[in-house]
Amino acid sequence: DVKVTQSSRYLVKRTGEKVFLECVQDMDHENMFWYRQDPGLGLRLIYFSYDVKMKEKGDIPEGYSVSREKKERFSLILESASTNQTSMYLCASSNPRGGGTEAFFGQGTRLTVV
Amino acid sequence: AQTVTQSQPEMSVQEAETVTLSCTYDTSENNYYLFWYKQPPSRQMILVIRQEAYKQQNATENRFSVNFQKAAKSFSLKISDSQLGDTAMYFCAFRHSGNTPLVFGKGTRLSVIA
Repeated sequence: DVKVTQSSRYLVKRTGEKVFLECVQDMDHENMFWYRQDPGLGLRLIYFSYDVKMKEKGDIPEGYSVSREKKERFSLILESASTNQTSMYLCASSNPRGGGTEAFFGQGTRLTVV
Repeated sequence: AQTVTQSQPEMSVQEAETVTLSCTYDTSENNYYLFWYKQPPSRQMILVIRQEAYKQQNATENRFSVNFQKAAKSFSLKISDSQLGDTAMYFCAFRHSGNTPLVFGKGTRLSVIA
């Protein structure tokens, strides 16, 4: 069974902290993505990666960075957490061969910044 | 930039009835893929159905079917014989062929009422 695993389901952090959200997939997928989900706004792409050590900005990269040192792991980093980064974060992965392949999602991390 | 519009923020349907969720998209490309994802209260995003733009035949998966109107750039989801387990957020998503991320609509919250 294919799996995308996010390290935490719930996370509470203080303003100004450096926050790491980890995502691991076991499907040998080249593509990995980080989305942010907010009520009424849907899913918005933060960053994505097509290969190890490669990254591309999505629609809302400000305040975030990413790291992909190994194919199976894609980390989202909040350099200095702020209250407006309180949100649901979803990681996904997909096989790049053919645009019609679906993206597989993790269970999401609900981050609260206080 | 590609956009996906879901005009119904919330919908409800009686158990065993049929409901249709609307989705329109904007692209200048001729080759692309469309998806409907379901996110139940457990938060795990799962694929419901997909459609390749070059295929004229509408996709069907058991009780779920789509009405794909390429000229109108419309991609609606029909759920027949609605069940309580269909209660969820439904997201319409778009992807070009090749190595591109999914672009999501803002979602429709569907409630199935007993």
